[in-house]
Amino acid sequence: NAGVTQTPKFQVLKTGQSMTLQCAQDMNHEYMSWYRQDPGMGLRLIHYSVGAGITDQGEVPNGYNVSRSTTEDFPLRLLSAAPSQTSVYFCASRPAWAGGQEKLFFGSGTQLSVL
Amino acid sequence: AQTVTQSQPEMSVQEAETVTLSCTYDTSESNYYLFWYKQPPSRQMILVIRQEAYKQQNATENRFSVNFQKAAKSFSLKISDSQLGDTAMYFCAFMKMDSNYQLIWGAGTKLIIKP
Repeated sequence: NAGVTQTPKFQVLKTGQSMTLQCAQDMNHEYMSWYRQDPGMGLRLIHYSVGAGITDQGEVPNGYNVSRSTTEDFPLRLLSAAPSQTSVYFCASRPAWAGGQEKLFFGSGTQLSVL
Repeated sequence: AQTVTQSQPEMSVQEAETVTLSCTYDTSESNYYLFWYKQPPSRQMILVIRQEAYKQQNATENRFSVNFQKAAKSFSLKISDSQLGDTAMYFCAFMKMDSNYQLIWGAGTKLIIKP
């Protein structure tokens, strides 16, 4: 059981480039989300999805797009990378109902640097 | 809006000692979850312990326990018999019980266990 798989683990971009961070889960979880982690700050929610075809914005959505065409995949797109998007990105998932055992399942993260 | 505050940016203790990490939160909700997550240098996010606000009994997981004071909005983590492998960032997080996804995170506490 692979859990939540994120690729790539590291990426360097130049300002203005675009790229897609991939996230896939094999646990049939309804809920998926993207967070960014910056030094001295907690994780901040970028976008989330409660099921295929349904997405919504989180706390810091500007500069990012998402789509959810399948239950398994939830890619994050950077349209025109900026240095302010240098961060560690985490994808996470959880089932809609966990019977009181709620927890997030995290991917291993992507370290993104924008020069 | 909910906020989570971790007032200790960094702590260090000797191996085998007991250490307590502080977390306070602000919410007008009555039903919610609180979490402590551990992030070792590997960057992986690992759930340490979870507390449901409607439960008066403090959660425990082996050497990890919490002191949950609902009226004071305090949620501290106690690590007993600390081990070198406990060295990590520790994050406190809040989630409304009827939330689609929204975890609100503290800024984290860097814990160093010295041999």
